[in-house]
Amino acid sequence: EVQLVQSGAEVKKPGESLKISCKGSGYSSTSYWIAWVRQMPGKGLEWMGIIYPGDSDTRYSPSFQGQVTISADKSINTAYLQWSSLKASDTAMYYCARLKGYCSSISCYHLYFDYWGQGTLVTVSS
Amino acid sequence: EIVMTQSPATLSVSPGERATLSCRASQSVGSNLAWYQQKPGQAPRLLIYGASTRATGVPARFSGSGSGTEFTLTISSLQSEDFAVYYCQQYNNWPLFGPGTKVDIK
Repeated sequence: EVQLVQSGAEVKKPGESLKISCKGSGYSSTSYWIAWVRQMPGKGLEWMGIIYPGDSDTRYSPSFQGQVTISADKSINTAYLQWSSLKASDTAMYYCARLKGYCSSISCYHLYFDYWGQGTLVTVSS
Repeated sequence: EIVMTQSPATLSVSPGERATLSCRASQSVGSNLAWYQQKPGQAPRLLIYGASTRATGVPARFSGSGSGTEFTLTISSLQSEDFAVYYCQQYNNWPLFGPGTKVDIK
């Protein structure tokens, strides 16, 4: 059974750093890309970036480039999303999701999300 | 740049009735369209991919149709567990979700 299990809810102050995780099981870490998706309170879904844990090849949505860092450890089939300096506007639910589709060195194609983690709520407040 | 729209924003339906949700892309995405269901407090769940192929475990009352720029998700007979928000997502280019349609109880 494919599962993505995310780390627990976080409450942080503006300016603090944070790293959340997403551990996959039931599939090979070298066969699928993993995405991070943001959902702000009461809003829709936005993909932030994707990573291939097999070699840590990472691609970012232009909207999130430079705002977050995505990384992975293939030995434990875990992807990470981190911030160096949180803002109140980073308050949101963050989901990881396994991707169907593929990427070349130039671009990625036909990416949709077939399994999702349960979400990690990040609250940033002074 | 592709823009995804969904209509209506809210659909009020009685249990047992049929629900028809629309998704439109501003340019052709072929059949590269997925539908997701999100219940309150839960993660999204993949329902349909390739515009019309049900994901594993999805009940047959859910069906998808369309290609190009116009797509439809139909729930043939709404069950209590189907009241949720439904998002479409194109994947002809980088992923882009529509704004969602909330299906609530009439």
